[in-house]
Amino acid sequence: DAGVIQSPRHEVTEMGQEVTLRCKLISGHNSLFWYRQTMMRGLELLIYFNNNVPIDDSGMPEDRFSAKMPNASFSTLKIQPSEPRDSAVYFCASSENWGTQYFGPGTRLLVL
Amino acid sequence: KNEVEQSPQNLTAQEGEFITINCSYSVGISALHWLQQHPGGGIVSLFMLSSGKKKHGRLIATINIQEKHSSLHITASHPRDSAVYICAVGLADSNYQLIWGAGTKLIIKP
Repeated sequence: DAGVIQSPRHEVTEMGQEVTLRCKLISGHNSLFWYRQTMMRGLELLIYFNNNVPIDDSGMPEDRFSAKMPNASFSTLKIQPSEPRDSAVYFCASSENWGTQYFGPGTRLLVL
Repeated sequence: KNEVEQSPQNLTAQEGEFITINCSYSVGISALHWLQQHPGGGIVSLFMLSSGKKKHGRLIATINIQEKHSSLHITASHPRDSAVYICAVGLADSNYQLIWGAGTKLIIKP
């Protein structure tokens, strides 16, 4: 298996633009986590899905952030409109229920 | 006081040394995770344990539930072990929430 796949790996955009981050889960996994990592706050859980259903989105910063799982193996995290303070590394991770989480390589987002 | 505390924050050692990184927590947990984040940014899960000890290659993780303490050991350390090592605990009353330690930055010099 190729592991968790994220795209793009790097994104540079201007304030106000829409940003879409993508994540492909490991085959057979049914839990999906989106995290954000910054120097100031470390790793923060943004949203958790189980069996395609959002279970906990309390970490989503505000209405500008939205996440979907259109099918069992794929998820998107969208920021609209983006702001400079959204600059961070965004990781997705998948697991089989609540087992070991396998992380993707991350997307480095810079909003100018 | 943070619910998960790691020590030391930074550790520099010579190649071949035995390394110990500690993690203490103050909450009830279902499991404790050790992860490694390389300078390139990728995060790798090393161990998930709820009791006793686990070993994988040169890495050993132990946990003492009564003392609420875990250690990660690296034997015969190598420069490629240089990374940030992160301890995270799964809450006993949540099957998915993790509380993250701040990480220990390890540098192994040749």
